[in-house]
Amino acid sequence: QSMLIQPPSASGTPGQRVTISCSGNISSLGTNPVNWYQHLPGSAPKHLIYRSNQRPSGVPDRFSGSKSGTSASLAISGLQSEDEGDYYCAAWDDSLNGRWVFGGGTKLTVL
Amino acid sequence: EVQLLESGGGFVQPGGSLRLSCAASGFSFSSYAMSWVRKAPGKGLEWVSGINSNSGRTYYADSVKGRFTISRDNSKNTVFLQMNNLRADDTAMYYCAKQDTAAVQFPFDFWGQGTLVTVSA
Repeated sequence: QSMLIQPPSASGTPGQRVTISCSGNISSLGTNPVNWYQHLPGSAPKHLIYRSNQRPSGVPDRFSGSKSGTSASLAISGLQSEDEGDYYCAAWDDSLNGRWVFGGGTKLTVL
Repeated sequence: EVQLLESGGGFVQPGGSLRLSCAASGFSFSSYAMSWVRKAPGKGLEWVSGINSNSGRTYYADSVKGRFTISRDNSKNTVFLQMNNLRADDTAMYYCAKQDTAAVQFPFDFWGQGTLVTVSA
């Protein structure tokens, strides 16, 4: 089964830099970009990084993404208390009829 | 301003049916693909289904294939999810998500607030 693997949790203190990894066995992950979504408590999910390293307008440049081969990462610098929530990577899987695959999510705690 | 407003969730017994709707505004609805994504209690996001801008192609997660049907009415700026033969593990918040191009393969750029579906005896 195609999967994207994320650490279940991450943490940091205000002002620190944290990274969240995403790796997978999706056959097309080597060619398809990874996207990142932020899901804060009580809110709709939000588009954070698209096409592996692009930031939508309105997303602070504290958030950055990168991808190498079949692994990707999200970096958050200058950590703020309002960043606490869940973060998901996602990629399109070309196998079979095609589908979106989400990572299991990483719960970020700001200590 | 892009707005996605889901409705149609509720409480249903196993084996029952529900039809979710997502009313879109603030963008040219007929030009963009749309998807449904769910989050079950204690679990992560799971993509459920997607439909291209002109309804020419639909996609489903294995977990719902044969039970759920996605459709859209571009004249009413609305996307639907017909859910049949519901099971307890379909219990989740269901989010409507807009994709950033006409094809389902491209990223989600806006999400609705969700509608809650509870399947229980």
